[in-house]
Order: sequence, then structure tokens, then C-alpha cells
Amino acid sequence: SQQGEEDPQALSIQEGENATMNCSYKTSINNLQWYRQNSGRGLVHLILIRSNEREKHSGRLRVTLDTSKKSSSLLITASRAADTASYFCATVVLYNQGGKLIFGQGTELSVKP
Amino acid sequence: DTGVSQDPRHKITKRGQNVTFRCDPISEHNRLYWYRQTLGQGPEFLTYFQNEAQLEKSRLLSDRFSAERPKGSFSTLEIQRTEQGDSAMYLCASSAKQGNTGELFFGEGSRLTVL
Repeated sequence: SQQGEEDPQALSIQEGENATMNCSYKTSINNLQWYRQNSGRGLVHLILIRSNEREKHSGRLRVTLDTSKKSSSLLITASRAADTASYFCATVVLYNQGGKLIFGQGTELSVKP
Repeated sequence: DTGVSQDPRHKITKRGQNVTFRCDPISEHNRLYWYRQTLGQGPEFLTYFQNEAQLEKSRLLSDRFSAERPKGSFSTLEIQRTEQGDSAMYLCASSAKQGNTGELFFGEGSRLTVL
């Protein structure tokens, strides 16, 4: 079963705009990760945020984590057509250390040139 | 190329046939994961290994599915008596981190079509 739910399911924006994707999860976590997947390809890790962190940056990516609301958001600033992909959040459940990542359903991002 | 490799990339089979997928993880990684992904959905966990030990297996995995990782290196995922519902992308990933699960490195996947 999926732990995370992403919102929106699909997002279409113009190049240069910011894209925000949200993820909610159900159980307490050790860490939360975001991945990107181009159509028909494997997933690529973007960023990991631990349960004791609130915000993290990597290039044009900004991730926030609110453990009280069991939610996270991924912000992509100054989007480019090459950012077109599906984005997934994934969680490592607390007390299941070393175990599986549970993925959400994903947000399909389309960036129009 | 030192990434995760999967073979074959595409497999078309008839219902009732057996299929086997192979995954070669990044060489120094001791953890290996199998996921299944259908169109428009997120990856669904199937099973994972630490070295040669299979530590967890999804309850969604029927008896027709079996995975091995002999000698803690490459892994195989076999599906016996395939059904049309098995059509999906099968993704393999590996990880080096001890303790809490960190970044997973994914292969390009093996796409299965059952006719």
C-alpha cells in the first residue's frame, strides 16, 4: 500500500515559473526523500530530509518538512522545460530502520517552453 | 557505466509463461530492492535484500514471485505462470547506507508485457 499522497496529481506551468508539489504521509518517519522520473526511465534521487530537519535546499530545489502535519513540499524555482517529469516523495517509516522506501503516487509536472 | 543495470529492458510473454529479470547493483552496495510500477502510479515495494539475506517481502507478492540474491551480488526476480495483471515496469534499486535507509540508486527498469 502507498504511504504518501501527492498533490496535485498533475501540474502544468510555463518556463520560468515556480512549481510546488505537496506530499502527505500517514505514519511517523525517519526521513523523507524526493525522486524524479522521466517517462519510461528509472527514478533519480533529488533530496533527502530527515525527520529533525525542517527545510533543505539543493540548487533550484527547496524541500520543507512538517512532521506535526505529516507533510512535505518540494519547490522547484525558475522551472525549465527539462524539469518536465514525474516527481515522487518516499518515506522511511520510523522503527523500520534500514527498511523499504514507501512511495507516493507522484505529481506529473509539465513545463511549457 | 557503474550504475544499476537491469536485463532485459523489455520482455513480452504469453500468459502462463515464466519470466526472469536480472539486476546488477552498484558493486559496493549491500542493499538491493525490487519495486513494481504500473502506469501513472508510484513504485510499489516488492522485496529487499541486505547482502544475500532477503529481509522483507511484500504481502502483495504472491507465491508466483520469487527473488534471490546469491552471494550478495546480482539478484534475480522470477515470475511463474504470468498473468496479464503482472504487466508492469519492474524496478531494481541499490543502496550502500548502513542503518537508516538513505538514497536509492535505480536501474532503468524491466518492462513486462503479458499477452
